[in-house]
Amino acid sequence: LAKTTQPISMDSYEGQEVNITCSHNNIATNDYITWYQQFPSQGPRFIIQGYKTKVTNEVASLFIPADRKSSTLSLPRVSLSDTAVYYCLVDPDNYGQNFVFGPGTRLSVLP
Amino acid sequence: NAGVTQTPKFQVLKTGQSMTLQCAQDMNHNSMYWYRQDPGMGLRLIYYSASEGTTDKGEVPNGYNVSRLNKREFSLRLESAAPSQTSVYFCASSEGSGYNEQFFGPGTRLTVL
Repeated sequence: LAKTTQPISMDSYEGQEVNITCSHNNIATNDYITWYQQFPSQGPRFIIQGYKTKVTNEVASLFIPADRKSSTLSLPRVSLSDTAVYYCLVDPDNYGQNFVFGPGTRLSVLP
Repeated sequence: NAGVTQTPKFQVLKTGQSMTLQCAQDMNHNSMYWYRQDPGMGLRLIYYSASEGTTDKGEVPNGYNVSRLNKREFSLRLESAAPSQTSVYFCASSEGSGYNEQFFGPGTRLTVL
């Protein structure tokens, strides 16, 4: 089971780019890297998923180096509404077993 | 589409009481999950169901039972509630395995006195 490590908290200001790095040193060959976002009193919401190099969607970008031992979620020009907890997950072998959400990174966006 | 719905939204139980948390999804997903989230913590998987008629234990199954009633519904039962089960419970569903995007319900906030 691949373990992930990410900062507990980060602060940023509106309009800045935020990069959250996640370490997953023992990621398996078949594992994907997935990021979720959770607002207070809500369930998590899928943001982005990738296997290697770079993935971009309308919300974020995900950068994965060649060794795949880490990944970086990039949020461009954050706003107050991006204040949330961000979880980095490395997928399990099958059907959600041992699918682990760690404590995540609590991002606070300040005005 | 309502997505994933959960009932009730809030519940207070006394130690030893039983209750069932209900979850339903209208996305025709095969897989469904139950998680718990304690204050300031990440989510922990209680049980999951990869398809109708199958259920499997997750990380923290003790004290819980589940039923995959049909493809849409996946219930979580606490037979004898304990204060340690005070938590927020989230149901989720996905098409296929946990590799795929999971869609979460709004959660049930349970307090056991």
